[in-house]
Amino acid sequence: DGGITQSPKYLFRKEGQNVTLSCEQNLNHDAMYWYRQDPGQGLRLIYYSQIVNDFQKGDIAEGYSVSREKKESFPLTVTSAQKNPTAFYLCATAGLPVDTQYFGPGTRLTVL
Amino acid sequence: AQSVAQPEDQVNVAEGNPLTVKCTYSVSGNPYLFWYVQYPNRGLQFLLKYITGDNLVKGSYGFEAEFNKSQTSFHLKKPSALVSDSALYFCAVRDNAGKSTFGDGTTLTVKP
Repeated sequence: DGGITQSPKYLFRKEGQNVTLSCEQNLNHDAMYWYRQDPGQGLRLIYYSQIVNDFQKGDIAEGYSVSREKKESFPLTVTSAQKNPTAFYLCATAGLPVDTQYFGPGTRLTVL
Repeated sequence: AQSVAQPEDQVNVAEGNPLTVKCTYSVSGNPYLFWYVQYPNRGLQFLLKYITGDNLVKGSYGFEAEFNKSQTSFHLKKPSALVSDSALYFCAVRDNAGKSTFGDGTTLTVKP
C-alpha cells in the first residue's frame, strides 16, 4: 500500500446521495487513477489524471466525477446518477512516462 | 481499443509443481505489460513488468514472465509453487498515453 491513503475503508450511502472517496499520495507521482472492482469482472478504469488540473475519462466514467487540484490528491465523487455504485474502489498512482502503478488499500462502498 | 484477456478464471496446482497463469493482450504501439497480485480485501501489489529489453522478465517472490510479441502474450510463471502463492492475479497493459487496462483476473490455488 505504501504512500497511498484511501479513506474511508468502508462507506455506506443511501440511494440518491452523492459521496466522495478520498485518495492521497506522498510518492510524488504525476499520474493517478481510479478503478472499480466487482466480483469476477476485474478492474475497470473510471478516471485518470497525468497532471494537475487535467484528467481523462476511463471506460466507465458515467455517474462519477473527479478533480485534480493538487498533485497529492485525486478525490472521486460517486453521484446519484451512478446506477449501481456498490463496489470496491481502488486508487492508484504511477510515475511517468510509463511506470509501475502502486495501489491504495481500497474503499468498499455499499448503497443501502 | 486496448484489451487484456486472461482465459482461465481459476488455476489449480500442487505445491512444488510449476505454475503458469496466461495473459494475452491487444494494444496500439509498444506494449507496456504488468502483473499484479491481490490478496482478499486488499489493494494490488506489483509483481513484474515488461517495458523493453529481454523477453524474460524476473520479478518478486520468484515469479517470472515471458513476453512473446508474435503471440501477443505475457504469461506469468513460477518454477515451484507455494501454498502462500494462492491469490488473485491480474495482467495489465498500458499505452503511451498512460491509460491502463486490466484483465478479469485469475484465481490461483496451490494445494499442499
